[in-house]
Amino acid sequence: KAGVTQTPRYLIKTRGQQVTLSCSPISGHRSVSWYQQTPGQGLQFLFEYFSETQRNKGNFPGRFSGRQFSNSRSEMNVSTLELGDSALYLCASSGSGTGNTEAFFGQGTRLTVV
Amino acid sequence: AQRVTQPEKLLSVFKGAPVELKCNYSYSGSPELFWYVQYSRQRLQLLLRHISRESIKGFTADLNKGETSFHLKKPFAQEEDSAMYYCALISSGSARQLTFGSGTQLTVLP
Repeated sequence: KAGVTQTPRYLIKTRGQQVTLSCSPISGHRSVSWYQQTPGQGLQFLFEYFSETQRNKGNFPGRFSGRQFSNSRSEMNVSTLELGDSALYLCASSGSGTGNTEAFFGQGTRLTVV
Repeated sequence: AQRVTQPEKLLSVFKGAPVELKCNYSYSGSPELFWYVQYSRQRLQLLLRHISRESIKGFTADLNKGETSFHLKKPFAQEEDSAMYYCALISSGSARQLTFGSGTQLTVLP
Protein backbone atom coordinates (compact mmCIF):
# COMPACT_ATOMS: atom_id res chain seq x y z
CA LYS A 1 0.00 0.00 0.00
CA ALA A 2 1.10 3.58 -0.56
CA GLY A 3 3.12 5.20 2.20
CA VAL A 4 2.67 8.56 3.86
CA THR A 5 2.94 11.34 1.30
CA GLN A 6 3.97 14.88 2.12
CA THR A 7 3.79 17.83 -0.23
CA PRO A 8 5.62 19.87 -1.17
CA ARG A 9 9.05 18.37 -0.58
CA TYR A 10 10.82 21.72 -0.47
CA LEU A 11 9.69 25.25 0.28
CA ILE A 12 11.44 28.59 0.51
CA LYS A 13 9.55 31.41 2.20
CA THR A 14 10.42 34.84 3.52
CA ARG A 15 10.00 36.04 7.07
CA GLY A 16 6.50 37.13 7.91
CA GLN A 17 4.83 34.93 5.31
CA GLN A 18 2.68 31.95 6.09
CA VAL A 19 2.94 28.41 4.80
CA THR A 20 0.72 25.35 4.53
CA LEU A 21 2.09 21.82 4.41
CA SER A 22 0.09 18.77 3.42
CA CYS A 23 0.15 15.15 4.53
CA SER A 24 -1.73 12.16 3.12
CA PRO A 25 -1.66 9.23 5.55
CA ILE A 26 -1.64 5.55 4.75
CA SER A 27 -5.09 4.42 3.70
CA GLY A 28 -7.14 3.46 6.74
CA HIS A 29 -4.98 5.34 9.23
CA ARG A 30 -6.92 7.89 11.22
CA SER A 31 -4.13 9.28 13.40
CA VAL A 32 -1.79 11.87 11.89
CA SER A 33 1.04 13.47 13.85
CA TRP A 34 3.43 16.25 12.92
CA TYR A 35 7.03 16.68 14.03
CA GLN A 36 9.64 19.38 13.55
CA GLN A 37 13.22 18.20 13.02
CA THR A 38 16.14 20.60 13.43
CA PRO A 39 19.86 19.99 14.04
CA GLY A 40 19.71 21.81 17.36
CA GLN A 41 16.45 20.52 18.86
CA GLY A 42 16.11 17.15 17.14
CA LEU A 43 12.65 15.70 16.60
CA GLN A 44 9.93 17.56 18.44
CA PHE A 45 6.23 16.76 18.51
CA LEU A 46 3.92 19.44 17.16
CA PHE A 47 0.42 17.94 17.31
CA GLU A 48 -1.68 14.88 16.61
CA TYR A 49 -5.05 14.62 14.94
CA PHE A 50 -7.46 11.74 15.11
CA SER A 51 -10.80 11.70 13.32
CA GLU A 52 -10.59 15.45 12.59
CA THR A 53 -9.94 16.34 16.24
CA GLN A 54 -6.68 17.55 17.73
CA ARG A 55 -5.91 14.95 20.35
CA ASN A 56 -2.57 16.25 21.60
CA LYS A 57 -0.39 19.32 21.20
CA GLY A 58 3.31 19.94 21.75
CA ASN A 59 5.00 22.99 23.17
CA PHE A 60 4.93 25.28 20.12
CA PRO A 61 3.53 28.79 19.76
CA GLY A 62 0.07 29.43 18.41
CA ARG A 63 1.55 30.35 15.02
CA PHE A 64 1.67 26.60 14.42
CA SER A 65 -1.71 25.11 13.71
CA GLY A 66 -3.18 22.17 11.91
CA ARG A 67 -6.30 20.45 10.85
CA GLN A 68 -7.51 17.11 9.59
CA PHE A 69 -10.12 16.42 6.99
CA SER A 70 -12.75 13.70 6.86
CA ASN A 71 -10.52 11.59 4.58
CA SER A 72 -7.76 11.79 7.27
CA ARG A 73 -5.55 14.03 5.16
CA SER A 74 -3.94 16.69 7.30
CA GLU A 75 -2.47 20.12 6.84
CA MET A 76 -0.30 22.17 9.10
CA ASN A 77 0.00 25.92 8.86
CA VAL A 78 2.68 28.24 10.16
CA SER A 79 1.88 31.92 10.18
CA THR A 80 4.23 34.89 10.48
CA LEU A 81 7.26 32.80 9.66
CA GLU A 82 10.49 33.33 11.56
CA LEU A 83 14.01 32.32 10.57
CA GLY A 84 13.96 29.73 13.37
CA ASP A 85 11.06 27.92 11.72
CA SER A 86 13.47 26.59 9.09
CA ALA A 87 13.32 22.83 9.59
CA LEU A 88 12.30 19.50 8.20
CA TYR A 89 8.64 18.90 9.00
CA LEU A 90 7.67 15.26 9.26
CA CYS A 91 4.23 13.76 9.21
CA ALA A 92 3.46 10.31 10.58
CA SER A 93 0.32 8.21 10.48
CA SER A 94 -0.76 5.36 12.74
CA GLY A 95 -3.60 2.91 12.81
CA SER A 96 -6.35 2.84 15.42
CA GLY A 97 -6.45 0.59 18.43
CA THR A 98 -4.12 0.22 21.37
CA GLY A 99 -1.83 -2.18 19.52
CA ASN A 100 -1.29 0.01 16.48
CA THR A 101 1.36 2.31 17.88
CA GLU A 102 3.85 2.09 15.02
CA ALA A 103 4.27 5.46 13.34
CA PHE A 104 4.81 5.48 9.57
CA PHE A 105 6.68 8.58 8.48
CA GLY A 106 6.61 10.59 5.32
CA GLN A 107 9.75 11.90 3.67
CA GLY A 108 9.17 15.35 5.06
CA THR A 109 8.87 18.89 3.81
CA ARG A 110 12.05 20.94 3.99
CA LEU A 111 11.09 24.52 4.86
CA THR A 112 13.65 27.28 4.53
CA VAL A 113 12.79 30.74 5.81
CA VAL A 114 14.94 33.57 4.47
CA ALA B 1 7.57 15.19 31.98
CA GLN B 2 8.79 12.38 29.78
CA ARG B 3 12.33 12.43 28.46
CA VAL B 4 14.55 10.18 26.35
CA THR B 5 18.33 10.42 26.55
CA GLN B 6 20.80 9.03 24.06
CA PRO B 7 24.23 9.92 25.43
CA GLU B 8 26.24 9.15 22.30
CA LYS B 9 25.84 11.47 19.35
CA LEU B 10 28.33 9.49 17.24
CA LEU B 11 29.39 5.87 17.47
CA SER B 12 31.88 4.06 15.24
CA VAL B 13 32.60 0.35 15.30
CA PHE B 14 34.35 -2.04 12.95
CA LYS B 15 32.46 -4.57 10.89
CA GLY B 16 31.92 -7.74 12.88
CA ALA B 17 32.28 -6.02 16.25
CA PRO B 18 29.44 -5.87 18.77
CA VAL B 19 27.52 -2.64 18.99
CA GLU B 20 25.38 -1.14 21.75
CA LEU B 21 23.43 2.09 21.41
CA LYS B 22 22.37 3.44 24.75
CA CYS B 23 18.96 4.83 25.62
CA ASN B 24 17.60 5.94 28.98
CA TYR B 25 14.16 7.32 29.63
CA SER B 26 12.24 9.05 32.34
CA TYR B 27 8.51 8.59 32.59
CA SER B 28 6.30 8.04 35.57
CA GLY B 29 3.88 5.56 33.99
CA SER B 30 4.30 2.56 31.71
CA PRO B 31 5.67 3.79 28.41
CA GLU B 32 6.02 1.89 25.19
CA LEU B 33 9.61 2.08 23.92
CA PHE B 34 10.78 2.06 20.30
CA TRP B 35 13.89 2.24 18.20
CA TYR B 36 13.51 4.08 14.90
CA VAL B 37 16.19 4.13 12.21
CA GLN B 38 16.92 6.48 9.35
CA TYR B 39 19.21 5.19 6.61
CA SER B 40 20.82 7.68 4.27
CA ARG B 41 18.23 9.36 2.02
CA GLN B 42 15.41 7.21 3.40
CA ARG B 43 12.50 8.04 5.63
CA LEU B 44 12.41 7.39 9.34
CA GLN B 45 11.15 3.86 10.00
CA LEU B 46 10.47 1.59 12.93
CA LEU B 47 13.25 -0.87 13.76
CA LEU B 48 11.74 -2.55 16.80
CA ARG B 49 9.58 -1.98 19.88
CA HIS B 50 9.79 -3.51 23.30
CA ILE B 51 6.33 -5.09 23.37
CA SER B 52 7.06 -7.32 20.40
CA ARG B 53 10.30 -8.64 21.93
CA GLU B 54 11.63 -9.67 18.55
CA SER B 55 14.98 -9.41 16.78
CA ILE B 56 15.04 -7.30 13.64
CA LYS B 57 18.10 -7.34 11.34
CA GLY B 58 19.99 -8.95 14.22
CA PHE B 59 19.17 -6.11 16.62
CA THR B 60 17.58 -6.66 20.01
CA ALA B 61 16.59 -4.32 22.81
CA ASP B 62 15.48 -5.20 26.30
CA LEU B 63 13.45 -2.89 28.46
CA ASN B 64 15.00 -2.59 31.91
CA LYS B 65 12.46 -0.83 34.09
CA GLY B 66 14.77 -0.76 37.10
CA GLU B 67 17.44 1.14 35.21
CA THR B 68 14.89 2.86 32.92
CA SER B 69 16.94 1.81 29.93
CA PHE B 70 16.23 0.40 26.48
CA HIS B 71 19.63 -0.18 24.94
CA LEU B 72 19.90 -1.46 21.36
CA LYS B 73 22.37 -4.27 20.74
CA LYS B 74 23.75 -6.29 17.87
CA PRO B 75 26.47 -8.90 18.30
CA PHE B 76 28.09 -8.46 14.89
CA ALA B 77 27.75 -5.11 13.16
CA GLN B 78 27.47 -4.89 9.37
CA GLU B 79 28.32 -1.95 7.11
CA GLU B 80 24.67 -1.67 6.09
CA ASP B 81 23.80 -0.92 9.73
CA SER B 82 25.33 2.54 9.34
CA ALA B 83 22.46 4.94 9.98
CA MET B 84 20.92 7.36 12.45
CA TYR B 85 19.15 5.61 15.32
CA TYR B 86 16.49 7.23 17.49
CA CYS B 87 15.11 5.88 20.71
CA ALA B 88 11.53 7.00 21.41
CA LEU B 89 8.65 6.45 23.77
CA ILE B 90 4.90 6.78 23.71
CA SER B 91 3.07 7.43 26.94
CA SER B 92 0.30 5.06 27.91
CA GLY B 93 -3.11 5.93 26.56
CA SER B 94 -4.54 6.49 23.14
CA ALA B 95 -2.50 9.45 21.95
CA ARG B 96 0.29 8.83 19.48
CA GLN B 97 2.79 11.41 20.74
CA LEU B 98 6.35 10.16 20.32
CA THR B 99 9.09 11.63 22.46
CA PHE B 100 12.43 11.12 20.72
CA GLY B 101 15.98 11.05 21.95
CA SER B 102 18.54 13.18 20.15
CA GLY B 103 19.75 10.25 18.06
CA THR B 104 22.99 8.33 17.60
CA GLN B 105 24.78 8.27 14.26
CA LEU B 106 26.24 4.79 13.91
CA THR B 107 29.07 4.22 11.46
CA VAL B 108 30.27 0.69 10.79
CA LEU B 109 33.77 0.75 9.38
CA PRO B 110 35.02 -1.92 6.94
